[in-house]
Amino acid sequence: DAGVIQSPRHEVTEMGQEVTLRCKPISGHNSLFWYRQTMMRGLELLIYFNNNVPIDDSGMPEDRFSAKMPNASFSTLKIQPSEPRDSAVYFCASSLVGGAGPPLHFGNGTRLTVT
Amino acid sequence: AQRVTQPEKLLSVFKGAPVELKCNYSYSGSPELFWYVQYSRQRLQLLLRHISRESIKGFTADLNKGETSFHLKKPFAQEEDSAMYYCALSPVITQGGSEKLVFGKGTKLTVNP
Repeated sequence: DAGVIQSPRHEVTEMGQEVTLRCKPISGHNSLFWYRQTMMRGLELLIYFNNNVPIDDSGMPEDRFSAKMPNASFSTLKIQPSEPRDSAVYFCASSLVGGAGPPLHFGNGTRLTVT
Repeated sequence: AQRVTQPEKLLSVFKGAPVELKCNYSYSGSPELFWYVQYSRQRLQLLLRHISRESIKGFTADLNKGETSFHLKKPFAQEEDSAMYYCALSPVITQGGSEKLVFGKGTKLTVNP
């Protein structure tokens, strides 16, 4: 298994532009998580899905952020419009609730820079 | 509410010295605790979990419910241990899995030669 796959690895954009981050979870996993990592705040949970349904989006900073999971093998996190303070590394993670192994498998992250 | 506190943002030790990364948590129930490690520009990966009671790469962590702590320890630090370490709590106990993890802000460990 290739693990959790995120794209792009790096994204540089100008303030006001729309940004879409993509994630492919591990096949068979039934939960998917989006985290944001910054030096100041560490790892923050933005939103997570169980069986493609959003369960908790209380960590989404504001309406500029939205996430979708149209099927079990794909999720997007969209920021529109982007702002410099959104610059961070965004991690996607997946898990199989009730399964064995690590509770969360992380992707390599997308490093977002908004200028 | 669940909360994980890692009081040290940075920790620097010399090779061969003991190291302890502190983690305290607050949760009204019985949590499951984890340590994740992130080497430079790599993905986060599970280092150990309290229910397995195992030692990984020489690291151990004991859950102290009285002090609500889950400190990570290693008797002799190595240069390759330099990384970012995150303590995490799962408020849901399932067989092996979890619903979500709440992370601390992390401690950057630097092991100097």
